[in-house]
Amino acid sequence: QVQLVQSGAEVKKPGASVKVSCKASGYTFTNYYMHWVRQAPGQGLEWMGRINSNSGDTNSAQKFQGRVTMTRDTSISTAYMELSRLRSDDTAVYYCAREVDRDSSGYPGRWFDPWGQGTLVTVSS
Amino acid sequence: DIQMTQSPSSLSASVGDRVTITCRASQSISSYLNWYQQKPGNAPKLLIYAASSLQSGVPSRFSGSGSGTDFTLNISSLQPEDFATYYCQQSYSTPRTFGQGTKVEIK
Repeated sequence: QVQLVQSGAEVKKPGASVKVSCKASGYTFTNYYMHWVRQAPGQGLEWMGRINSNSGDTNSAQKFQGRVTMTRDTSISTAYMELSRLRSDDTAVYYCAREVDRDSSGYPGRWFDPWGQGTLVTVSS
Repeated sequence: DIQMTQSPSSLSASVGDRVTITCRASQSISSYLNWYQQKPGNAPKLLIYAASSLQSGVPSRFSGSGSGTDFTLNISSLQPEDFATYYCQQSYSTPRTFGQGTKVEIK
């Protein structure tokens, strides 16, 4: 089955960087964009950016530009999200999510399915 | 950026009730609107895609409607497992944006 498995929880100090991985299985990795979404404690969902898993091209939310780097390794079907210059308000659960652009009947659209299980990143001195 | 506004932010309902959640986009997004359900400690789960298509495996009591700027998620008869937070999301353009969420609680 299609599955995204993320790396484990991290604790980082302010100013450090964190790199979260997202290993895909059950589908052709390079056929889909991978997106990154985060959720601060008790808050809603915030889109961070996406990577074209084939070309490696990326787009990120303006808020994170200059701090977020998204990469992928197609040989192991894994996407990565690195966030630098961490602050306490970066404490959040970080999710990867595959974006599908048509269903099994060919009906078009764009939606996130599945999501990874989430990676808690805690930033604390 | 396209702003997504959900209402209400929270609601209390009983098992068996019909529940309606609305989502409004700041500009037309055609049918590029998705709904997700999230339970505490879990990742979001896709319920409805392209405004009105039911994701495989999702109970038929969930339905979505709308196009353009106004969308609705309906739960025809609320079940105990439906108490959760629901998010709408537009996929018309980047940045992808989410509504602020609607928490459905037990009355």
